[in-house]
Amino acid sequence: DVKVTQSSRYLVKRTGEKVFLECVQDMDHENMFWYRQDPGLGLRLIYFSYDVKMKEKGDIPEGYSVSREKKERFSLILESASTNQTSMYLCATQTGNQPQHFGDGTRLSIL
Amino acid sequence: DQQVKQNSPSLSVQEGRISILNCDYTNSMFDYFLWYKKYPAEGPTFLISISSIKDKNEDGRFTVFLNKSAKHLSLHIVPSQPGDSAVYFCAAPWGSGGGADGLTFGKGTHLIIQP
Repeated sequence: DVKVTQSSRYLVKRTGEKVFLECVQDMDHENMFWYRQDPGLGLRLIYFSYDVKMKEKGDIPEGYSVSREKKERFSLILESASTNQTSMYLCATQTGNQPQHFGDGTRLSIL
Repeated sequence: DQQVKQNSPSLSVQEGRISILNCDYTNSMFDYFLWYKKYPAEGPTFLISISSIKDKNEDGRFTVFLNKSAKHLSLHIVPSQPGDSAVYFCAAPWGSGGGADGLTFGKGTHLIIQP
């Protein structure tokens, strides 16, 4: 069974901080994704990656960056956190024609 | 502009009856659709998918219907059970690379199964 692990379930940070959200998968999937989920807006794609050191922008990349130094790990970085980045962040992995598998999410609050 | 639309934020159905969740899309290039189910404090889990070469796909109690001319799909759950209470998201591949490009999601429908 695919395991997608997000390092924190809940996180509280302050405005202006640099924030790292980590995602690790154990199934050797080549594709990894970051989404955010907000009430009434569904899930929106932030960034994704096809392979190590590869990254592509999604719908809402502004204010975020990503890092993929190893195949199993995909990090989302908030360069300077702002209150409008308070959200649920979801990581997903995918391979071939299979559907995406999601982690349980990190609920991030920016104060 | 949202390309996948779920216009019903919530739906209440009695246990044992049929639940019908609807989804409309605007991009006629979409050729694959997925439904995900999400419980609070958990990540979405894949439920069922359908390719545009089909108009129906069935998996146990879950059936998805696709009407390409109307750009409409629906998820039927029969019979509805209490454990089906969750938020359901309709999704389609975001780019041209299939699922490898990420997904574009509707806003979700909160299904509530009444005992």
